[in-house]
Amino acid sequence: AQSVSQHNHHVILSEAASLELGCNYSYGGTVNLFWYVQYPGQHLQLLLKYFSGDPLVKGIKGFEAEFIKSKFSFNLRKPSVQWSDTAEYFCAVNRASGGYQKVTFGTGTKLQVIP
Amino acid sequence: DTEVTQTPKHLVMGMTNKKSLKCEQHMGHRAMYWYKQKAKKPPELMFVYSYEKLSINESVPSRFSPECPNSSLLNLHLHALQPEDSALYLCASSPFTSGGAGSETQYFGPGTRLLVL
Repeated sequence: AQSVSQHNHHVILSEAASLELGCNYSYGGTVNLFWYVQYPGQHLQLLLKYFSGDPLVKGIKGFEAEFIKSKFSFNLRKPSVQWSDTAEYFCAVNRASGGYQKVTFGTGTKLQVIP
Repeated sequence: DTEVTQTPKHLVMGMTNKKSLKCEQHMGHRAMYWYKQKAKKPPELMFVYSYEKLSINESVPSRFSPECPNSSLLNLHLHALQPEDSALYLCASSPFTSGGAGSETQYFGPGTRLLVL
């Protein structure tokens, strides 16, 4: 079975600091990887996703993530965070099954950005 | 319109009640999902429907009964729930691509916050 682990449960940063959130997955086959964000009081939204091609993917709001197959990792980065980035971030993996998705989410990282 | 709507937003029910959660999307998506999210935990997949047929049931207790009456609607019927079933119930939808790589984006609704007394 696929699983996803996020190493940081709670991260506190000052504005303009750089961000890197770790994500590792365990599944030997073809996977699709996602980062979702849940802002306070809002629903889950897709930040970015990887399914093939360039392992460095860029998403919305200046976020990017790098897929390193040899390390089974898909870490999220942002060079300079803003107070509005305060949210919970979930890494997710979908085992390629065709048609619909069977997604497993990581435990989430709560990011708090201090002005 | 990239919106998934869910009603009600909040629901309080007793253990002997019968209630239903509703989910609607008009994006033409033919895959729809129910997730359960407990506080401070990630969403956990419960059911997947594709083309209005149940494709995945993640060993969910029978007191949860999903229904997909048409391509835009997804219901979750609740009966004889337990207090530990209190959670945020999320609906999502995604395009269904035959033979696809599974990279399609899921769109999530805001959820129904359920409290079982």
